[in-house]
Amino acid sequence: KAGVTQTPRYLIKTRGQQVTLSCSPISGHRSVSWYQQTPGQGLQFLFEYFSETQRNKGNFPGRFSGRQFSNSRSEMNVSTLELGDSALYLCASSLQPTTSYNEQFFGPGTRLTVL
Amino acid sequence: AQTVTQSQPEMSVQEAETVTLSCTYDTSESDYYLFWYKQPPSRQMILVIRQEAYKQQNATENRFSVNFQKAAKSFSLKISDSQLGDAAMYFCAYRANDMRFGAGTRLTVKP
Repeated sequence: KAGVTQTPRYLIKTRGQQVTLSCSPISGHRSVSWYQQTPGQGLQFLFEYFSETQRNKGNFPGRFSGRQFSNSRSEMNVSTLELGDSALYLCASSLQPTTSYNEQFFGPGTRLTVL
Repeated sequence: AQTVTQSQPEMSVQEAETVTLSCTYDTSESDYYLFWYKQPPSRQMILVIRQEAYKQQNATENRFSVNFQKAAKSFSLKISDSQLGDAAMYFCAYRANDMRFGAGTRLTVKP
Protein backbone atom coordinates (compact mmCIF):
# COMPACT_ATOMS: atom_id res chain seq x y z
CA LYS A 1 0.00 0.00 0.00
CA ALA A 2 1.44 3.36 -0.99
CA GLY A 3 2.28 5.78 1.80
CA VAL A 4 1.28 9.39 2.22
CA THR A 5 2.53 11.48 -0.67
CA GLN A 6 3.08 15.20 -0.72
CA THR A 7 3.70 17.44 -3.69
CA PRO A 8 5.76 19.33 -4.41
CA ARG A 9 8.66 18.26 -2.22
CA TYR A 10 10.43 21.59 -2.47
CA LEU A 11 9.10 25.05 -3.24
CA ILE A 12 10.61 28.50 -3.38
CA LYS A 13 8.34 31.52 -3.30
CA THR A 14 8.70 35.24 -2.67
CA ARG A 15 6.97 37.35 -0.06
CA GLY A 16 3.41 38.25 -0.93
CA GLN A 17 2.84 35.27 -3.19
CA GLN A 18 0.48 32.45 -2.42
CA VAL A 19 1.17 28.72 -2.45
CA THR A 20 -0.83 25.51 -2.57
CA LEU A 21 0.50 22.25 -1.19
CA SER A 22 -1.03 18.88 -1.90
CA CYS A 23 -1.35 15.72 0.16
CA SER A 24 -2.60 12.31 -0.91
CA PRO A 25 -3.39 10.09 2.06
CA ILE A 26 -3.01 6.36 2.27
CA SER A 27 -5.81 4.61 0.41
CA GLY A 28 -8.82 4.23 2.69
CA HIS A 29 -7.72 6.93 5.12
CA ARG A 30 -10.29 9.68 5.53
CA SER A 31 -8.51 11.93 8.01
CA VAL A 32 -5.78 14.30 6.92
CA SER A 33 -3.88 16.60 9.26
CA TRP A 34 -1.38 19.30 8.44
CA TYR A 35 1.57 20.44 10.54
CA GLN A 36 4.18 23.15 10.25
CA GLN A 37 7.69 22.30 11.39
CA THR A 38 10.27 25.02 12.00
CA PRO A 39 13.51 25.05 14.02
CA GLY A 40 12.15 27.77 16.29
CA GLN A 41 8.57 26.68 16.90
CA GLY A 42 8.90 22.94 16.36
CA LEU A 43 5.92 20.98 15.14
CA GLN A 44 2.67 22.87 15.22
CA PHE A 45 -0.77 21.64 14.30
CA LEU A 46 -2.42 23.55 11.47
CA PHE A 47 -5.71 21.79 10.82
CA GLU A 48 -7.41 18.46 10.36
CA TYR A 49 -9.94 17.36 7.78
CA PHE A 50 -12.19 14.36 7.93
CA SER A 51 -14.70 13.48 5.22
CA GLU A 52 -14.24 16.88 3.57
CA THR A 53 -14.98 18.78 6.80
CA GLN A 54 -12.51 20.72 8.88
CA ARG A 55 -12.63 19.24 12.37
CA ASN A 56 -9.95 21.21 14.14
CA LYS A 57 -7.81 24.23 13.48
CA GLY A 58 -4.61 25.29 15.18
CA ASN A 59 -3.58 28.78 16.16
CA PHE A 60 -2.59 30.11 12.76
CA PRO A 61 -3.75 33.24 10.94
CA GLY A 62 -6.48 33.13 8.33
CA ARG A 63 -3.85 33.21 5.59
CA PHE A 64 -3.56 29.48 6.17
CA SER A 65 -6.45 27.50 4.78
CA GLY A 66 -7.15 24.06 3.52
CA ARG A 67 -9.68 21.76 2.04
CA GLN A 68 -10.30 18.11 1.46
CA PHE A 69 -11.79 16.50 -1.60
CA SER A 70 -14.18 13.59 -1.89
CA ASN A 71 -11.27 11.22 -2.60
CA SER A 72 -9.69 12.36 0.73
CA ARG A 73 -6.85 14.21 -0.97
CA SER A 74 -6.16 17.49 0.75
CA GLU A 75 -4.70 20.81 -0.20
CA MET A 76 -3.28 23.51 1.99
CA ASN A 77 -3.07 27.11 0.85
CA VAL A 78 -1.04 29.96 2.27
CA SER A 79 -1.77 33.42 0.94
CA THR A 80 0.35 36.56 1.19
CA LEU A 81 3.46 34.63 2.13
CA GLU A 82 5.76 35.97 4.82
CA LEU A 83 9.39 35.10 5.51
CA GLY A 84 8.29 33.32 8.69
CA ASP A 85 6.22 30.88 6.67
CA SER A 86 9.39 29.14 5.57
CA ALA A 87 9.07 25.68 7.02
CA LEU A 88 8.62 21.99 6.42
CA TYR A 89 4.91 21.30 6.01
CA LEU A 90 3.94 17.80 7.01
CA CYS A 91 0.77 15.99 6.15
CA ALA A 92 -0.45 12.96 8.07
CA SER A 93 -3.32 10.61 7.40
CA SER A 94 -5.26 8.16 9.52
CA LEU A 95 -8.33 5.98 9.19
CA GLN A 96 -10.33 7.89 11.76
CA PRO A 97 -10.18 11.40 13.20
CA THR A 98 -7.31 12.30 15.47
CA THR A 99 -9.44 12.00 18.60
CA SER A 100 -9.18 8.27 18.18
CA TYR A 101 -6.33 5.93 18.92
CA ASN A 102 -5.59 5.43 15.24
CA GLU A 103 -2.02 5.84 14.16
CA GLN A 104 -1.17 8.81 12.00
CA PHE A 105 1.08 8.15 9.02
CA PHE A 106 3.22 11.05 7.94
CA GLY A 107 4.30 12.08 4.50
CA PRO A 108 7.83 13.21 3.62
CA GLY A 109 6.83 16.88 3.79
CA THR A 110 7.04 19.89 1.52
CA ARG A 111 9.95 22.23 2.18
CA LEU A 112 8.75 25.78 1.56
CA THR A 113 11.26 28.59 1.35
CA VAL A 114 10.01 32.17 1.23
CA LEU A 115 12.48 34.75 -0.06
CA ALA B 1 -3.86 24.61 26.93
CA GLN B 2 -2.10 21.33 26.56
CA THR B 3 1.66 21.54 26.39
CA VAL B 4 4.32 18.90 25.92
CA THR B 5 7.80 19.38 27.33
CA GLN B 6 10.91 17.47 26.39
CA SER B 7 13.65 18.73 28.66
CA GLN B 8 16.55 17.02 26.86
CA PRO B 9 17.38 18.71 23.55
CA GLU B 10 20.13 16.14 22.92
CA MET B 11 21.00 12.71 24.24
CA SER B 12 23.76 10.31 23.43
CA VAL B 13 23.98 6.56 23.98
CA GLN B 14 26.53 3.88 23.28
CA GLU B 15 25.46 1.16 20.90
CA ALA B 16 23.81 -1.77 22.77
CA GLU B 17 23.22 0.39 25.86
CA THR B 18 19.92 1.70 27.20
CA VAL B 19 18.73 5.28 27.06
CA THR B 20 15.66 7.03 28.47
CA LEU B 21 14.09 10.09 26.89
CA SER B 22 11.93 12.29 29.11
CA CYS B 23 8.58 13.86 28.40
CA THR B 24 6.08 15.69 30.56
CA TYR B 25 2.77 17.17 29.57
CA ASP B 26 0.16 19.43 30.98
CA THR B 27 -3.54 18.76 30.52
CA SER B 28 -6.88 19.00 32.25
CA GLU B 29 -8.32 16.21 30.12
CA SER B 30 -8.86 12.74 31.55
CA ASP B 31 -9.04 10.92 28.25
CA TYR B 32 -6.13 11.30 25.87
CA TYR B 33 -3.39 9.46 24.04
CA LEU B 34 0.37 9.76 24.15
CA PHE B 35 2.83 8.94 21.42
CA TRP B 36 6.51 8.82 20.67
CA TYR B 37 7.48 9.55 17.09
CA LYS B 38 10.87 9.16 15.48
CA GLN B 39 12.08 11.44 12.72
CA PRO B 40 15.27 10.15 11.05
CA PRO B 41 17.41 12.47 8.95
CA SER B 42 15.29 11.53 5.90
CA ARG B 43 12.49 13.49 7.64
CA GLN B 44 9.66 10.93 7.47
CA MET B 45 8.03 10.72 10.88
CA ILE B 46 7.47 7.19 12.16
CA LEU B 47 5.36 6.10 15.10
CA VAL B 48 7.47 4.34 17.72
CA ILE B 49 4.97 3.60 20.46
CA ARG B 50 1.64 4.82 21.82
CA GLN B 51 -0.19 4.75 25.11
CA GLU B 52 -3.83 5.22 26.03
CA ALA B 53 -4.19 7.34 29.15
CA TYR B 54 -6.81 5.08 30.72
CA LYS B 55 -4.49 2.07 30.56
CA GLN B 56 -2.19 1.74 33.55
CA GLN B 57 0.00 -0.87 31.92
CA ASN B 58 3.01 0.59 30.18
CA ALA B 59 3.18 0.00 26.45
CA THR B 60 6.07 -1.94 24.94
CA GLU B 61 7.15 -2.49 21.36
CA ASN B 62 10.17 -4.74 21.07
CA ARG B 63 13.15 -2.70 22.32
CA PHE B 64 10.99 0.33 23.04
CA SER B 65 8.99 0.78 26.21
CA VAL B 66 7.41 3.64 28.08
CA ASN B 67 7.11 4.63 31.69
CA PHE B 68 3.70 6.28 31.94
CA GLN B 69 3.00 8.09 35.20
CA LYS B 70 -0.44 9.64 34.79
CA ALA B 71 -0.54 11.48 38.10
CA ALA B 72 2.86 13.01 37.41
CA LYS B 73 1.93 13.62 33.76
CA SER B 74 5.12 11.96 32.68
CA PHE B 75 5.68 9.74 29.65
CA SER B 76 9.30 8.67 29.17
CA LEU B 77 10.64 6.43 26.42
CA LYS B 78 13.21 3.73 27.12
CA ILE B 79 15.23 2.32 24.26
CA SER B 80 17.03 -0.89 25.11
CA ASP B 81 19.95 -2.41 23.20
CA SER B 82 20.36 0.81 21.19
CA GLN B 83 21.21 0.43 17.54
CA LEU B 84 22.82 2.81 15.08
CA GLY B 85 19.49 3.03 13.27
CA ASP B 86 17.88 4.49 16.37
CA ALA B 87 19.69 7.77 15.78
CA ALA B 88 17.01 10.37 15.06
CA MET B 89 14.91 13.16 16.49
CA TYR B 90 12.34 11.79 18.91
CA PHE B 91 9.12 13.66 19.50
CA CYS B 92 6.73 13.10 22.34
CA ALA B 93 3.14 13.90 21.39
CA TYR B 94 -0.16 14.31 23.16
CA ARG B 95 -3.53 13.93 21.54
CA ALA B 96 -6.92 14.87 22.91
CA ASN B 97 -8.68 17.09 20.39
CA ASP B 98 -5.62 17.62 18.27
CA MET B 99 -1.99 16.58 18.29
CA ARG B 100 0.57 18.53 20.31
CA PHE B 101 4.27 17.81 19.98
CA GLY B 102 7.22 18.44 22.22
CA ALA B 103 10.30 20.23 20.92
CA GLY B 104 12.10 16.96 20.33
CA THR B 105 15.23 15.18 21.57
CA ARG B 106 18.06 14.49 19.17
CA LEU B 107 19.45 11.04 19.92
CA THR B 108 22.96 10.13 18.84
CA VAL B 109 24.10 6.51 18.95
CA LYS B 110 27.83 5.97 19.26
CA PRO B 111 29.35 2.81 17.78
